[in-house]
Amino acid sequence: SDVLTQPPSVSVAPGQTATISCGGDFIGRNNVNWYRQRPGQAPVLIVYDDSDRPSGIPERFSGSKSVGTATLTITGVDVGDEGDYYCQVWDVGSGHRLFGGGTKVAVL
Amino acid sequence: EVALVESGGTLVRPGQSLTLACAASGFTFEDYGMSWVRQGAGKGLEWVAGIDWTGTETKYEDSVKGRFTISRDNAKKFVYLKMTTVRVEDAAVYFCARSGYLSMGAFDIWGPGTTISVSS
Repeated sequence: SDVLTQPPSVSVAPGQTATISCGGDFIGRNNVNWYRQRPGQAPVLIVYDDSDRPSGIPERFSGSKSVGTATLTITGVDVGDEGDYYCQVWDVGSGHRLFGGGTKVAVL
Repeated sequence: EVALVESGGTLVRPGQSLTLACAASGFTFEDYGMSWVRQGAGKGLEWVAGIDWTGTETKYEDSVKGRFTISRDNAKKFVYLKMTTVRVEDAAVYFCARSGYLSMGAFDIWGPGTTISVSS
């Protein structure tokens, strides 16, 4: 079973808001990062340290965290946002990196 | 341009060994930690191993500990993953990824991946 728990899929209409959760015991004490992966491509970092965005990532992508759960929010969704989204933490205590099981975002 | 490119992917038999390589370019390689992340067919991402910028500290996912070895050559700007006693479940696309630029914990640069197939 996944140490970081994500919903397997999320469906959203164009222009609406998609929210993806990531839960687990490791969330509270570690920073959370989010990646998008399109089929056949490498993952791309879209949010780091819970809520920061790399340059070039639109403000439509935002991250937040409360006790035990991190959330990625995508506003104004369009077809180009389809893909698999993964949360990830670096557990400083063990030095291990952990990924969630991934969430497939479909724009209907 | 900042880039990582993996090589060494191939078809191997269970129990065999192979080494993957990842070439870095466009950045000061010795300043960053590096990791290998794999993805089985139709599956999610799985972190496999990581190495610090000096090459002295390494970490491994439990299923590969004792079988895989991560190393780096800062002069040549390469990171390696030596895989021994390969199992069917090790078949995957293997990505190398950089950490420590935006955040110590986040992977901001990824290679396109190299594929390992395992079959008898």
